[in-house]
Parts: sequence; C-alpha cells; structure tokens
Amino acid sequence: GENVEQHPSTLSVQEGDSAVIKCTYSDSASNYFPWYKQELGKGPQLIIDIRSNVGEKKDQRIAVTLNKTAKHFSLHITETQPEDSAVYFCAASGDYKLSFGAGTTVTVRA
Amino acid sequence: DTGVSQNPRHKITKRGQNVTFRCDPISEHNRLYWYRQTLGQGPEFLTYFQNEAQLEKSRLLSDRFSAERPKGSFSTLEIQRTEQGDSAMYLCASNDGGINSPLHFGNGTRLTVT
Repeated sequence: GENVEQHPSTLSVQEGDSAVIKCTYSDSASNYFPWYKQELGKGPQLIIDIRSNVGEKKDQRIAVTLNKTAKHFSLHITETQPEDSAVYFCAASGDYKLSFGAGTTVTVRA
Repeated sequence: DTGVSQNPRHKITKRGQNVTFRCDPISEHNRLYWYRQTLGQGPEFLTYFQNEAQLEKSRLLSDRFSAERPKGSFSTLEIQRTEQGDSAMYLCASNDGGINSPLHFGNGTRLTVT
C-alpha cells in the first residue's frame, strides 16, 4: 500500500516568516494530494489539494508543489500568523482512500 | 451543509465493555469513511461505504469491530470487548464519491479505555 512520510515533525517560525512542510510518497499510482489542518479537539480540515496533472497550486498565503518524478510534494505557508498554529497533515491517494503522513506541528511565535 | 456530525464526542469505558459511535455524513454524500487516529499520528483508514454497501475493510479492523450504514445515510461503528489499545480518536468522513473527491471529516469521537 501507499506509504507517506512527512518532515519535519515540528516547526517553529516567527510570525510573518514562511513555513515549509515536505512529504514523500511511495506509490507511483497516487494522483491526488490533499493537505489538512487539524486544531486541538477537532477533525482534520482540508486546506488545499493538488492533482497529478498540476505542478503547483496557490490559494492566498498557501501553496503546494508536486514533483511526480521524485514522488514528493510540499506545502508552503507565507506570512505566517498565530492562527496558522496547528498540526498539518499531507496525504496521498490513487483511488478512493487517503494515506496520511504523521503530521507536522507548526507553532507561530508572536 | 451542516458538515459531518459525530456522537458522542468523548467516551470513557472500562476494558471489556462494548461501545458504539454514530456518524451523520453530509446529506448528499454517498461515500462514508471511518478512520482511526492515535496520538501523534495521522489518521489510518478503517473502512468505507458506498451508500449502504461496505466495500473495504482494513486489516486494522479486527473481528471485534463492526460498522454499518443500514439506509445509506448515518453509520455506526461498534467495538466489542474493548481493549486499552482501542483508545484513540475515531474519525468519520464523507464525500460525493467522485474520483479524488475531497474528504470532509467530522470532529471525531475520542475513546478512552481504562
């Protein structure tokens, strides 16, 4: 099955700086790569996704890049704000079920 | 669209007891998924339904676990003879079944087995 690895496990950034989270996947058949944000006591919330026919996608301060040849994808958050503090998960899917990374705890320091 | 609803939010039970959780998906969604999340880990797939049909079960889902979606709407997940290793967050998600359709998660049921 699909194996998704995520780095780093924790990330502390100064407010206003950028944050980058990287993921790799194992199954070359995967073609859908969403990112989720999870706040304490809540379920994961989809923040952005990318499909394999696209190399980059941007939504305001959030961008994702995908390198299918190398089987890795990344999340970039610019101009970080305190409300960006949360756990972020990458995931990969080739069919109907998602395989998740272990998560990155992002702390934005004021 | 009221989102995916899960009940109860928290459940504390003693080892050996049975527990049942409920999930109400987004009303127009025909696919419903159950995931389990332990502390410090990402969600792990357990099972999913297309309408009322259960189409796949993960090997994580031992024979003490059973899930149903009798009318293709809400779903229940039952754990019999709970063990301490069952302590986790149980997440329900739904989508419209389209290829790589985004998954929408509920806020989960946190189970603690003492």
